[in-house]
Amino acid sequence: DTGVSQDPRHKITKRGQNVTFRCDPISEHNRLYWYRQTLGQGPEFLTYFQNEAQLEKSRLLSDRFSAERPKGSFSTLEIQRTEQGDSAMYLCASSPGDSFQETQYFGPGTRLLVL
Amino acid sequence: DAKTTQPNSMESNEEEPVHLPCNHSTISGTDYIHWYRQLPSQGPEYVIHGLTSNVNNRMASLAIAEDRKSSTLILHRATLRDAAVYYCILRDVRQGGKLIFGQGTELSVKP
Repeated sequence: DTGVSQDPRHKITKRGQNVTFRCDPISEHNRLYWYRQTLGQGPEFLTYFQNEAQLEKSRLLSDRFSAERPKGSFSTLEIQRTEQGDSAMYLCASSPGDSFQETQYFGPGTRLLVL
Repeated sequence: DAKTTQPNSMESNEEEPVHLPCNHSTISGTDYIHWYRQLPSQGPEYVIHGLTSNVNNRMASLAIAEDRKSSTLILHRATLRDAAVYYCILRDVRQGGKLIFGQGTELSVKP
């Protein structure tokens, strides 16, 4: 078990460009979560998947954001037409899917800087 | 969403116990109390959780007030590696599995 991995770890882009992040959850974890964290703040929930189904989306997830988990394994988060306000750490977490009180295991995050 | 209130920061000396408080006066009967911590430049990690009774694990202890309006995370012997932001989170089973983080308490540990 190698834990949750995220790629890339760092991304610098220019305003208006599209970016895509990848998250590989712990093997056989059915639930996958995306969070965003800005400097000095706690992580904020964006969306979550149960297998390949996207079951909840936060109001923070504007129409420029899209997340997928096509085969119920890895997930991608795409941001179109990036804005400077999108600069943040994007965190992915996974959990087995047995209980809503279960532990979430977080990846190291992808730090995005939009110039 | 139920809210939690934590001090912004706390200091501790190495090898001494640390008591991190959390107030959650609007807690409902279905809210579990979870604690996560985030070390510098890492994602959050689970510490402990409980509903009504005090809980112990290898990392920490969780003391829950009888009226459940407050709780305390106890690190029995702080080490330099315990320096992190500690988040107290209420999880309602009816809200699905998402975690709602507040600002947390930044714990610094002095050698």
